[in-house]
Amino acid sequence: KNEVEQSPQNLTAQEGEFITINCSYSVGISALHWLQQHPGGGIVSLFMLSSGKKKHGRLIATINIQEKHSSLHITASHPRDSAVYICAVRSYGGSQGNLIFGKGTKLSVKP
Amino acid sequence: NAGVMQNPRHLVRRRGQEARLRCSPMKGHSHVYWYRQLPEEGLKFMVYLQKENIIDESGMPKERFSAEFPKEGPSILRIQQVVRGDSAAYFCASSPPPGVPYNEQFFGPGTRLTVL
Repeated sequence: KNEVEQSPQNLTAQEGEFITINCSYSVGISALHWLQQHPGGGIVSLFMLSSGKKKHGRLIATINIQEKHSSLHITASHPRDSAVYICAVRSYGGSQGNLIFGKGTKLSVKP
Repeated sequence: NAGVMQNPRHLVRRRGQEARLRCSPMKGHSHVYWYRQLPEEGLKFMVYLQKENIIDESGMPKERFSAEFPKEGPSILRIQQVVRGDSAAYFCASSPPPGVPYNEQFFGPGTRLTVL
């Protein structure tokens, strides 16, 4: 079993829909990252959080440390949101670079 | 304000050759991280470096792979005697010195290595 599990693996949505991507992890963590990988392969860091909730534009990330679970929400989705969304955690005692990655959720938003 | 730069973007090598991948961190960043993404697989941590110092190399294969981040110039990931299984996308990320508990990482565009 992977230490970081994401669901769903693939997600197709219509433009304007509210989207939720989930991430569960089995290790104690000091931080959790949400990344976006574009179809061309480039990676953008969306959020880094260790508790609570963060919001940036139409993106919201939440984390529940007790339940070892994080969600990424996209409001009013748009075709340009189509990408692979990756959850990554830094475990307790691990160096700040030693991230454990989920396999990603491939999102496709149709116009 | 240039981001993390990697070159080359694409690299083709024949089996047995050496591959050198370069990463220039963002201005003011002194920490560099290398990750590998094999085809159809997730990202895997390889190595974390400060200037002139390897902090964590627990993800590096034991043989043929090495990394450095000299005082001057880019960080280099070196793969000797490449094999087909080394074909992957190699991403570099950088972050500022740890002055806050959890430092965000900024990723480069990646180098796609193809071994023929």
